[in-house]
Amino acid sequence: KQEVTQIPAALSVPEGENLVLNCSFTDSAIYNLQWFRQDPGKGLTSLLLIQSSQREQTSGRLNASLDKSSGRSTLYIAASQPGDSATYLCAVKGGNYGQNFVFGPGTRLSVLP
Amino acid sequence: KAGVTQTPRYLIKTRGQQVTLSCSPISGHRSVSWYQQTPGQGLQFLFEYFSETQRNKGNFPGRFSGRQFSNSRSEMNVSTLELGDSALYLCASSAWTEGNTIYFGEGSWLTVV
Repeated sequence: KQEVTQIPAALSVPEGENLVLNCSFTDSAIYNLQWFRQDPGKGLTSLLLIQSSQREQTSGRLNASLDKSSGRSTLYIAASQPGDSATYLCAVKGGNYGQNFVFGPGTRLSVLP
Repeated sequence: KAGVTQTPRYLIKTRGQQVTLSCSPISGHRSVSWYQQTPGQGLQFLFEYFSETQRNKGNFPGRFSGRQFSNSRSEMNVSTLELGDSALYLCASSAWTEGNTIYFGEGSWLTVV
């Protein structure tokens, strides 16, 4: 079955730093990959969606890349701000074992002022 | 336009009872999916509905069921509640016209005592 992992599990950085969050998946036959952020006690907010045919997507200070063949995606956050503090989750859709989204456990990010 | 709306936001039930949660998707979205989020298991897929038909189902017991109405609104039901059903239940909607990006509601917090 599809398994998604995220490294690191938690990250604490000073404000202004550029940072990279990693997501790995075991089945490369995916339709797309989506990155989300979740604030405590809240639902998930969609950040970026990368279709399987795409290599990267950008939105503001966020850039997500996808390497299907190696089963990896990275989320790059430029010039981090305290408001970026949240849990970031990646999810992959599709694959040989089902058509639903499979989520990673998330990376808990703290950006210190 | 309005986002995904879930009701109720918080509820407390007793073991053995049953519960129904409601989800109104974004206008125009015909696909609705449900997820369970717990600290131990993370986000797990429950089921997906499209045009009133269940399209995918996760690995949950038959006590978990759902349905979708002709206006795309969806409900999920959990019968014979167990303590382990305590979780945040998240609903998401999507449309292929938006690249199948999924948008989540704020969730329904269920506590079983």
